[in-house]
Amino acid sequence: EAAVTQSPRNKVAVTGGKVTLSCNQTNNHNNMYWYRQDTGHGLRLIHYSYGAGSTEKGDIPDGYKASRPSQENFSLILELATPSQTSVYFCASGELGGHQDTQYFGPGTRLLVL
Amino acid sequence: AQSVTQPDARVTVSEGASLQLRCKYSYSGTPYLFWYVQYPRQGLQLLLKYYSGDPVVQGVNGFEAEFSKSNSSFHLRKASVHWSDSAVYFCVLSCDTNAYKVIFGKGTHLHVLP
Repeated sequence: EAAVTQSPRNKVAVTGGKVTLSCNQTNNHNNMYWYRQDTGHGLRLIHYSYGAGSTEKGDIPDGYKASRPSQENFSLILELATPSQTSVYFCASGELGGHQDTQYFGPGTRLLVL
Repeated sequence: AQSVTQPDARVTVSEGASLQLRCKYSYSGTPYLFWYVQYPRQGLQLLLKYYSGDPVVQGVNGFEAEFSKSNSSFHLRKASVHWSDSAVYFCVLSCDTNAYKVIFGKGTHLHVLP
């Protein structure tokens, strides 16, 4: 079964600080995604990746960077965290990519920016 | 523009009752539709998906959904709910013209009374 893990599970950061959220998948899936979940918005795509070394902007990339150093790992980086980035962040992986792909989600990271 | 509407933010039913969660989409191309479920403090899990063919698709745990092109709908149903079905349910649209364009509805909180 698909396994996607995220760390940390909870994070408190200060405004202006740097935050790195990590995601690891053991499914050997090519595609990985970062979403944020906010009340009243469902999930929104921040960045995604086709494979190691690639990152692409999603719908709301401003204020975020992504890094895919390997097939297994996909990080989301907030260089200068702001309170508006307080949210729950989900990582997902998918084998096929594209519109027919089932995505496998991690448990989420709760980020509070003070 | 593409969109997904889940008109009911919260639904409360008694255990053993039947259930329908509504989903309407807006998209002029060929829609690929999914229902995901999110249990408390967990990531999303796939319930079922529809690409083409029989408009009624079966999913896990007794869930099914019916696609209607004429009504632009993809409603989720279950004949008899259990208290463990309490969760948030997301309807998701994937667009055939952009492989990574995935649109989440805002979700419906289902509360099953024991």
